[in-house]
Amino acid sequence: DQQVKQNSPSLSVQEGRISILNCDYTNSMFDYFLWYKKYPAEGPTFLISISSIKDKNEDGRFTVFLNKSAKHLSLHIVPSQPGDSAVYFCAASVNTGTASKLTFGTGTRLQVTL
Amino acid sequence: GAVVSQHPSWVICKSGTSVKIECRSLDFQATTMFWYRQFPKQSLMLMATSNEGSKATYEQGVEKDKFLINHASLTLSTLTVTSAHPEDSSFYICSALTGGYQPQHFGDGTRLSIL
Repeated sequence: DQQVKQNSPSLSVQEGRISILNCDYTNSMFDYFLWYKKYPAEGPTFLISISSIKDKNEDGRFTVFLNKSAKHLSLHIVPSQPGDSAVYFCAASVNTGTASKLTFGTGTRLQVTL
Repeated sequence: GAVVSQHPSWVICKSGTSVKIECRSLDFQATTMFWYRQFPKQSLMLMATSNEGSKATYEQGVEKDKFLINHASLTLSTLTVTSAHPEDSSFYICSALTGGYQPQHFGDGTRLSIL
């Protein structure tokens, strides 16, 4: 049962344009969402997160949007840069205030071309 | 800040060998660490949650006698794959939490190959 889904396994975007990565979830108890970036043979690196009390969070070139009614979130990267090429995972948790375990999506491979 | 170091990064060993993987939080204390497993082109699957000074909590389907976890200090958790077999070959990644509402910070993973 895949509770967090990233339906696009790959995405190719030109440098300077906007990259939009999508994520859907099924568990309505999730209230904290994160995006991680991962290079091959490395661990994921935290990018940005959003709590369910918000619908948008922005950090530099990265913005995460949350649509609770649709159980959908997206990560926008603008402008996209070649160094952004990596696999992006969305993750969700039920934040109990203590150590909350993450449920990950299957990842989207982003390729930013020149 | 929030650096997590995982060692070794790559292990190749014979079937039947036990392999220990270390996960250290270098610049913070982690009361909780997590162990994940990732198969090629798949998601990270949580194996267990490791709490300092107590027994680990394993996810359904993960054999606790096969994957021994020890979290003896606030900066170190170890995962031992006992009597490893080729099907245990995978990418194992640990993460650590600085606090309840903080994101998990990940190590660089260990590629385990059992011949």
